[in-house]
Amino acid sequence: DTEVTQTPKHLVMGMTNKKSLKCEQHMGHRAMYWYKQKAKKPPELMFVYSYEKLSINESVPSRFSPECPNSSLLNLHLHALQPEDSALYLCASSQWATLAGVELFFGEGSRLTVL
Amino acid sequence: AQSVSQHNHHVILSEAASLELGCNYSYGGTVNLFWYVQYPGQHLQLLLKYFSGDPLVKGIKGFEAEFIKSKFSFNLRKPSVQWSDTAEYFCASRKGGTASKLTFGTGTRLQVTL
Repeated sequence: DTEVTQTPKHLVMGMTNKKSLKCEQHMGHRAMYWYKQKAKKPPELMFVYSYEKLSINESVPSRFSPECPNSSLLNLHLHALQPEDSALYLCASSQWATLAGVELFFGEGSRLTVL
Repeated sequence: AQSVSQHNHHVILSEAASLELGCNYSYGGTVNLFWYVQYPGQHLQLLLKYFSGDPLVKGIKGFEAEFIKSKFSFNLRKPSVQWSDTAEYFCASRKGGTASKLTFGTGTRLQVTL
């Protein structure tokens, strides 16, 4: 079982809805990540948080808004999404963001469908 | 920008056959390399990683990979595959010692038949 927990596992939303994806880890990791994975494609980085501060934003549209309330939690707030945003959203964590060779631990993902 | 190439998109093997999946990365400096596996319906899991030292890296479940710097390659190998190895395999690279992103290859779908 993964030690990174994501909720909900499945989410269906309309283009005018506001929803949130949640991620939690209790491994004491200080870096957390959001990735987006479309069908039959590799995961693509969206955001990196290091010590609860946003350190990397891969030019993600503002309709995706990340939040890191504390070192164990990472949220992704969704608003006014488009159908092409439908994908599997993966959360990951690592002990640090900068140390060479550090391993990412992934959650099972939240499968988002935008109607 | 970094890139990772996996040339085998779909590989079908019989049980007990040997496996080699290709991975080439583009970055010329210090690099960390990883192989992740995604079993059907499950999360990404780390198989093995290389960041320095012995270029032949051993991972879980009998997998190994060899870092060949001159070829910018990090191929994954297993001498004898099992049906349970059926999964998607992703190679990934990251610039060493920085907060840069982990870049994934497009993945190789391995199907092992009985």
